[in-house]
Amino acid sequence: DIQMTQSPSTLSASVGDRVTITCRASQSISSWLAWYQQKPGKAPNLLIFDASSLESGVPSRFSGSGSGTDFTLTISSLQPDDFATYYCQQYNSHPYTFGQGTKLEIK
Amino acid sequence: QVQLVESGGGLVKPGGSLRLSCAASGFTFSDYYMSWIRQAPGKGLEWVSHISGSAFHTSYADSMKGRFTISRDNAKNSLYLQMSTLRAEDTAVYYCARLPYCSGGWCPCYFDYWGQGTLVTVSS
Repeated sequence: DIQMTQSPSTLSASVGDRVTITCRASQSISSWLAWYQQKPGKAPNLLIFDASSLESGVPSRFSGSGSGTDFTLTISSLQPDDFATYYCQQYNSHPYTFGQGTKLEIK
Repeated sequence: QVQLVESGGGLVKPGGSLRLSCAASGFTFSDYYMSWIRQAPGKGLEWVSHISGSAFHTSYADSMKGRFTISRDNAKNSLYLQMSTLRAEDTAVYYCARLPYCSGGWCPCYFDYWGQGTLVTVSS
């Protein structure tokens, strides 16, 4: 199975900050990576697919980059609604695995 | 708009069985792969299974293979997960999710719409 490792596990930041979350795959997954946002008690919401494609309706302050084994999710200017947990997910090969999550907290 | 509504969760004893349902609306259900994903309390996400639009193709995570069965009824716009020989470690919120449309060949297995989830608790 492909292991997905996110860092950091917790990130404290302020409104207006630029933040970056990293996701590393245990082997190359080309660009077959998605990012999701999850708020407490809610289902995950798709933000980015194919490593860098923004899902329709997602604010442009979210962006993704990377290929192979190293990927990043960047939020250019944090808004109050962005404090949540973020997950990466690979779909290069079965089984489709998720990172352990990065909790973005208010500083 | 796309809606996915899960039902059927509850408390079940170890070794027991449960059937989850997911009612879909707002899109042509038979055109899409569908999946189940679970999340144990306070933990991360784990892909469980998926099924093609025609139900011809199914796939499972190894830990669920042989115990869980995914199915669908396109006439009823419904997805199902039959779970048997349940263990305490199967306790989780189970989400129904849609994969993006693909016309054939290799289909990208990420999830563009999710239901609100249904909680399954396995405990004596």
